[in-house]
Amino acid sequence: DGGITQSPKYLFRKEGQNVTLSCEQNLNHDAMYWYRQDPGQGLRLIYYSQIVNDFQKGDIAEGYSVSREKKESFPLTVTSAQKNPTAFYLCASSMGQGGTQYFGPGTRLLVL
Amino acid sequence: GEDVEQSLFLSVREGDSSVINCTYTDSSSTYLYWYKQEPGAGLQLLTYIFSNMDMKQDQRLTVLLNKKDKHLSLRIADTQTGDSAIYFCAESGSGGYNKLIFGAGTRLAVHP
Repeated sequence: DGGITQSPKYLFRKEGQNVTLSCEQNLNHDAMYWYRQDPGQGLRLIYYSQIVNDFQKGDIAEGYSVSREKKESFPLTVTSAQKNPTAFYLCASSMGQGGTQYFGPGTRLLVL
Repeated sequence: GEDVEQSLFLSVREGDSSVINCTYTDSSSTYLYWYKQEPGAGLQLLTYIFSNMDMKQDQRLTVLLNKKDKHLSLRIADTQTGDSAIYFCAESGSGGYNKLIFGAGTRLAVHP
């Protein structure tokens, strides 16, 4: 089955802690994206990557970091610098630049 | 700047048609998308329309595009309780990396 998986489904962060959200795809897509969703709002782009070993900041990159060492994987780290991390995080991928984006099931991050 | 607007809530009776409306600002958008989000889940691609089309039909879904007014609509025929969800309109904004601009989402409630 081809698709995008995200783990964990729920993640709890303590004050000052960095946490990493996983995103894996087996669709052979070149491009991958991370979005943040807050209640009653649309999705906002955090980071995107068009190709392995390359990534670019989106609209709200501050307090987040990413890596793209493998085509299939695009992990997102929420650092302690992100002061309001509670949100639903969605990963997406597309065949390439201009391709339709397909989404994973999401990770809900909560702060203890 | 780029912006997508949707009404926040729509209530319909089961079996009726639902029409969800969206306006966008970027006239250079190549594709316009409709995604569906059920509670606690990721976004599911419903359909999309290329900017040089006026209409696209896919089973119970009809998308209408008025490029002059920058207005997009999604009609769901014979609405069922399983259609209850949040529906997001998105445009592919200007920029080289397939950036999607999302509306805030329309919550569709289907009642008996």
